Amino acid sequence: DVKVTQSSRYLVKRTGEKVFLECVQDMDHENMFWYRQDPGLGLRLIYFSYDVKMKEKGDIPEGYSVSREKKERFSLILESASTNQTSMYLCASSLEWTGGGNEKLFFGSGTQLSVL
Amino acid sequence: QKEVEQNSGPLSVPEGAIASLNCTYSDRGSQSFFWYRQYSGKSPELIMSIYSNGDKEDGRFTAQLNKASQYVSLLIRDSQPSDSATYLCAVKGTLHSNYQLIWGAGTKLIIKP
Repeated sequence: DVKVTQSSRYLVKRTGEKVFLECVQDMDHENMFWYRQDPGLGLRLIYFSYDVKMKEKGDIPEGYSVSREKKERFSLILESASTNQTSMYLCASSLEWTGGGNEKLFFGSGTQLSVL
Repeated sequence: QKEVEQNSGPLSVPEGAIASLNCTYSDRGSQSFFWYRQYSGKSPELIMSIYSNGDKEDGRFTAQLNKASQYVSLLIRDSQPSDSATYLCAVKGTLHSNYQLIWGAGTKLIIKP
């Protein structure tokens, strides 16, 4: 089974801190995603990456950046954390993502980030 | 209007009955449709995907797609207490990047023993 591992389950940070959320997948997937999930809003895409060092903005990239130096690792960076970035952050990976009938996201267990 | 809409629920269904979950979407060019299940405190997991009009069955689950009416539904037969979860509808359309899914906010399903 695919395993997507997020480094922290719970994280508490102060306003203005730089925050790193790490995600590692073990199945050689090309595609990796960062979402945030807020009650009543569904999942919203922050960034995705379809190859090493390749990234594209999702719907809500403001205040975030990403890094993908190795295929298995996709990091989300909050440059200067703010209280409105308090949320559940979910990392996901996928082998296929451009049709073919095998589009499936495998999610990590999530990081609940609280910014005080 | 949200791009993908679901009734937030909760939807309460007796054990053994059929649970029917609905989702409507606004992008008429959408081609790929997914149902994810999310238990409380856990991450979403894919239970069904559907790409063409009609029904697709997998065990107790049936996904139904009607592109003309722009809705997709999920039927759960012989509902079990373990089916109690939030069900997320996700759609891959044409208005965003090919890599993006648009998600509904989810329907909370409660199966009463």
